[in-house]
Amino acid sequence: IAGITQAPTSQILAAGRRMTLRCTQDMRHNAMYWYRQDLGLGLRLIHYSNTAGTTGKGEVPDGYSVSRANTDDFPLTLASAVPSQTSVYFCASSERGDFADTQYFGPGTRLTVL
Amino acid sequence: GQNIDQPTEMTATEGAIVQINCTYQTSGFNGLFWYQQHAGEAPTFLSYNVLDGLEEKGRFSSFLSRSKGYSYLLLKELQMKDSASYLCAVVDSNYQLIWGAGTKLIIKP
Repeated sequence: IAGITQAPTSQILAAGRRMTLRCTQDMRHNAMYWYRQDLGLGLRLIHYSNTAGTTGKGEVPDGYSVSRANTDDFPLTLASAVPSQTSVYFCASSERGDFADTQYFGPGTRLTVL
Repeated sequence: GQNIDQPTEMTATEGAIVQINCTYQTSGFNGLFWYQQHAGEAPTFLSYNVLDGLEEKGRFSSFLSRSKGYSYLLLKELQMKDSASYLCAVVDSNYQLIWGAGTKLIIKP
């Protein structure tokens, strides 16, 4: 593994189903982030983690949850998916736990909720 | 509220120069990023400015004026591979990152 990986690459999901998007980094970065990207809008922060064991809410956290049990992994869970959660989801990491540090992005997960 | 403005789309010719502007109104300022994002791919870091002035990095340069709430990304000797979206993002006084919607740059031969 080099950098950040995300799984799955894409997914079609029925509304009401539970879904976990996986994110793993091998750079030993302290901070990790989850964004969603929708056409015509900027990246919007869902949740973040400044260091293993801590998490925080971003701009659009409702309907999503995260955990950070170790440095490398930062899964994002949709407890009960709704069509408005159709989006491209990017995981990112940075060495420092502040937003003034360069972020490195994973390849993204394209999620469609029907 | 906090706001970042960038043109939605720009078109330029291969070999030419293009300037992509970004204006921001945020609660404080602690730096400005430019990222490049090719269609269907992840954003990648281009530049970070925290002080006024021009920073040059090969064919790409980034300028910042904090007093005007303004930045631009200058791309020289355009190549077809420069066709991408360019994202401006500002770090506010609370060290939160505010993202613009991005500028889609189309390069024509």
